[in-house]
Amino acid sequence: AQSVTQLGSHVSVSEGALVLLRCNYSSSVPPYLFWYVQYPNQGLQLLLKYTTGATLVKGINGFEAEFKKSETSFHLTKPSAHMSDAAEYFCAVSHFTGGGNKLTFGTGTQLKVEL
Amino acid sequence: GAGVSQSPRYKVAKRGQDVALRCDPISGHVSLFWYQQALGQGPEFLTYFQNEAQLDKSGLPSDRFFAERPEGSVSTLKIQRTQQEDSAVYLCASRRGGAYEQYFGPGTRLTVT
Repeated sequence: AQSVTQLGSHVSVSEGALVLLRCNYSSSVPPYLFWYVQYPNQGLQLLLKYTTGATLVKGINGFEAEFKKSETSFHLTKPSAHMSDAAEYFCAVSHFTGGGNKLTFGTGTQLKVEL
Repeated sequence: GAGVSQSPRYKVAKRGQDVALRCDPISGHVSLFWYQQALGQGPEFLTYFQNEAQLDKSGLPSDRFFAERPEGSVSTLKIQRTQQEDSAVYLCASRRGGAYEQYFGPGTRLTVT
């Protein structure tokens, strides 16, 4: 079984400050890890993914995440927050099953960006 | 098409009514998924298709939920005799063969009154 824990359901940062959204996963097999962003009344948009190889992955809109196997973490960061980053962020895990690789999501972190 | 589309975007049903939710995946994507997102929660897996074959329906909450993808493209999620607890956003996602990432549609918000 696999699971995802996102620490902090709400995070508030000032515009221009560092964004750090935390994600820890549990998986008995090598995981595939994803971060998605959801704007109000919209679907999920992929920010970045880790499958194999380089543990620091870069995504869209200046976001990046680092896979740390020893810590079972995949935290999302952005050096400088912008107002347009305000949204809900979901961490998700899947693994190779040979039949789907369904995603298991965390409960989400609502990011607020203040002036 | 440019992305995954879903219709209707919003649906209000009276308890006991049947509803049908449609998903048009990205052209050529062989894999299609349905997820249910309750208010304030992350999406939860419902079912998975590879082409027209439904390979995993372990997430369907009851036998009132039924999904199909008869020609391996458009999919319909049907909920019979809707209950208030069915109120949620239903998300559809598709994935091309060999890829890891899923692409999501905008969802259908179902409200059961």
